[in-house]
Amino acid sequence: KNQVEQSPQSLIILEGKNCTLQCNYTVSPFSNLRWYKQDTGRGPVSLTIMTFSENTKSNGRYTATLDADTKQSSLHITASQLSDSASYICVVSRLGGGYNKLIFGAGTRLAVHP
Amino acid sequence: DTAVSQTPKYLVTQMGNDKSIKCEQNLGHDTMYWYKQDSKKFLKIMFSYNNKELIINETVPNRFSPKSPDKAHLNLHINSLELGDSAVYFCASSPHQGAYEQYFGPGTRLTVT
Repeated sequence: KNQVEQSPQSLIILEGKNCTLQCNYTVSPFSNLRWYKQDTGRGPVSLTIMTFSENTKSNGRYTATLDADTKQSSLHITASQLSDSASYICVVSRLGGGYNKLIFGAGTRLAVHP
Repeated sequence: DTAVSQTPKYLVTQMGNDKSIKCEQNLGHDTMYWYKQDSKKFLKIMFSYNNKELIINETVPNRFSPKSPDKAHLNLHINSLELGDSAVYFCASSPHQGAYEQYFGPGTRLTVT
């Protein structure tokens, strides 16, 4: 079954600290893996997109890694800020029927406290 | 200068009613999508259109009918609303179909009572 699982479900950290969010997937055939940030009451915003051949990609203080062999990805946030409080969603794109279908994880809810 | 916009932002209605949600993108993208985010926060694809043509229809009840009058607009009409239709509906667009970044609208929170 094509699934994306994220851990932890929720996380509280202090401002300035680093954190790492995990994503495991069983999606096949794999096309690419994306991390999105979703603020409360808003639509998701793309942070990174990685294809099979990429094992790391950065976007400012966000660094995503991908191990396509073990089907795992992580999102590392450096020097967290209050504005990082949001849900972070791992999304795996599956090839099929001539198009890419996005399969979403449930997200990790991050709260950054002062 | 909103990239992907949806109206309305909130919609409260009774079971059995028919309602529409509108979506517009000013990015010049060819491909648009409708997603449903349920109470468990999972986002699931419902439909995708590429240049006004339906390319994805994910086992959605036929009470849901998307309409794309042009490639900048993708509207969602829902007939005979049910309690289980309550969710947040997101519109998104991407330059083309395939491995492109998708840009999401702000969402429409639909509550069926």
